[in-house]
Amino acid sequence: AQKVTQAQTEISVVEKEDVTLDCVYETRDTTYYLFWYKQPPSGELVFLIRRNSFDEQNEISGRYSWNFQKSTSSFNFTITASQVVDSAVYFCALSHYSSASKIIFGSGTRLSIRP
Amino acid sequence: ETGVTQTPRHLVMGMTNKKSLKCEQHLGHNAMYWYKQSAKKPLELMFVYSLEERVENNSVPSRFSPECPNSSHLFLHLHTLQPEDSALYLCASSQSAGVSKNIQYFGAGTRLSVL
Repeated sequence: AQKVTQAQTEISVVEKEDVTLDCVYETRDTTYYLFWYKQPPSGELVFLIRRNSFDEQNEISGRYSWNFQKSTSSFNFTITASQVVDSAVYFCALSHYSSASKIIFGSGTRLSIRP
Repeated sequence: ETGVTQTPRHLVMGMTNKKSLKCEQHLGHNAMYWYKQSAKKPLELMFVYSLEERVENNSVPSRFSPECPNSSHLFLHLHTLQPEDSALYLCASSQSAGVSKNIQYFGAGTRLSVL
């Protein structure tokens, strides 16, 4: 069965702290894609990153970085020097080759950054 | 202008009303999706359209009726809803529905309250 688990329901940190959002997934496919989306209070899900199952290199984009480890089936997301504008709900998601139109979303982590 | 536009942003309706949600994408995509986001639940995929044909219907009650007149527009017709249907309804689009690497781009959603 395909599944995405975001065990952290809510995280609250003070501005400028680093924070890591955890994502653990389950799939039997060897070819799959992992995503992170951000949902600010306005409602729309904003695409952040896509990673395919064959590329385990870590990725950095500004203050955002992602750590993909197939050995632990994890795709964690770190925000460095967090800012109040980073406050949102963050979703990790999995799409698998055998059912390409479906994206399995985790339940999300609500991140609050306090000034 | 955002890539995926949903109207209305907020909707309050009684259980006997008939209303429609509208979604329009300006990205030249061929696939469109309806999702339901309820409090404390993962996003639920409701319908998938590819080139105006419905390719996925995830056991959604018949009181929800989708319509895709062309690849840029998607509607969700609502009638005789129940209070438990109150949720954020999100529309998304992607280049195609059959490729697992496709990124889905989301609208800001319609917040629906059924009284």
